[in-house]
Amino acid sequence: GAVVSQHPSWVICKSGTSVKIECRSLDFQATTMFWYRQFPKQSLMLMATSNEGSKATYEQGVEKDKFLINHASLTLSTLTVTSAHPEDSSFYICSARERGQGGYGYTFGSGTRLTVV
Amino acid sequence: QQPVQSPQAVILREGEDAVINCSSSKALYSVHWYRQKHGEAPVFLMILLKGGEQKGHEKISASFNEKKQQSSLYLTASQLSYSGTYFCGTEYNNNDMRFGAGTRLTVKP
Repeated sequence: GAVVSQHPSWVICKSGTSVKIECRSLDFQATTMFWYRQFPKQSLMLMATSNEGSKATYEQGVEKDKFLINHASLTLSTLTVTSAHPEDSSFYICSARERGQGGYGYTFGSGTRLTVV
Repeated sequence: QQPVQSPQAVILREGEDAVINCSSSKALYSVHWYRQKHGEAPVFLMILLKGGEQKGHEKISASFNEKKQQSSLYLTASQLSYSGTYFCGTEYNNNDMRFGAGTRLTVKP
């Protein structure tokens, strides 16, 4: 089955530093990947849609300059949290669906728990 | 655009049945159902496409009422392993999924 690998699983960083999270589709190509943010006991909130070879599409209220998304290839998307602050602490998770597989479910990465101290 | 999901929480005894509902105010392209265990990523259960439905598991099934833009997930003869938070995800166009608030399901022995 489709596998999405997300790294790191957790990261603790100091306030003001930047953190990069990687999302890879291991056995399929994905022209589109999605980045979600989840607070404890809450739903997954879509942050942005990552498009291979073009700019990401951000949801309303998500700061583009703070959450930098790069989708350099059909198997890799990265989310960089710039100048992280404690309020950015959260569970970040990516998902993808194989190119051309509309009508099928999405596969999620294992998530990254970010703690900013 | 976020779908409305109900109930917020359900507590069952092993073997009991449950229904989780998901509704949208906009026409849907598809409805997805996922289950998430604490601290883990959501796992795909099934998808229902406009004009049809697909069943992912024997004792877990789902329906999609196009006219009402509603979907229901049915869990029959629940098992302990069914515990988790269930999310419905809705696509209005291809590739733009939004999740409902989730339903926390607890199955007790």
